Amino acid sequence: QVHLVESGAGVVRPGSTLRLSCAASGFNFSSFSMHWVRQGPGKGLEWLAVISHDDGKKYYADSVRGRFTVSRDNSKSTLYLQMNSLRPDDTAVYYCVRHLPSGNYYFDFWGQGTLVTVSS
Amino acid sequence: EIVLTQSPATLSLSPGERATLSCRASQSVTNSLAWYQQKPGQAPRLLIYDASTRATGIPARFSGSGSGTDFTLTISSLEPEDVAVYYCQQRYYWPPLTFGGGTKVEIK
Repeated sequence: QVHLVESGAGVVRPGSTLRLSCAASGFNFSSFSMHWVRQGPGKGLEWLAVISHDDGKKYYADSVRGRFTVSRDNSKSTLYLQMNSLRPDDTAVYYCVRHLPSGNYYFDFWGQGTLVTVSS
Repeated sequence: EIVLTQSPATLSLSPGERATLSCRASQSVTNSLAWYQQKPGQAPRLLIYDASTRATGIPARFSGSGSGTDFTLTISSLEPEDVAVYYCQQRYYWPPLTFGGGTKVEIK
């Protein structure tokens, strides 16, 4: 079965960097675009980024463009999110997410989430 | 950016009652809309996609309808395990993919 396991949680100072990882299993990772979605404490869901299956295309939400970078290593079935210049409002649970096999960007599998806290 | 507005913010109903949740888009998204359920401490779960197609394993009491700008998620007979926050999401125009602010469903 499909499993997505995020790691890299932490408490960091404003302005710091952090890299999240997401280990995927149970499906052909290299055939799927992959996404990051976050959820601030007590808040709703916010889509952050998508990377195409072959690492060729990347798109970002305005709130993270220029600060966050999504990447992947298909040989390791792993997705990454490099987060730079972190701000307190980046505090959230970060989810690695897969879309439906049809290719439509609805999210059928989610990781358990990893908590990033940005605080001085 | 397409803004999705969900209403009501909170819905409090008795077991067995019908729950009707609304999602309104700032412009047409045709039928490119999904609904998710998120229980406390859990990741969201896909319930409905393409406005009305139930995802794998979703009980028949959950149904979706609508197109264009107005969408509805209906729970035909509320069960205690349906207590959750429900989100809509559009994929018609992106980036960004956007979510609504959520509707919290409570049991009286």
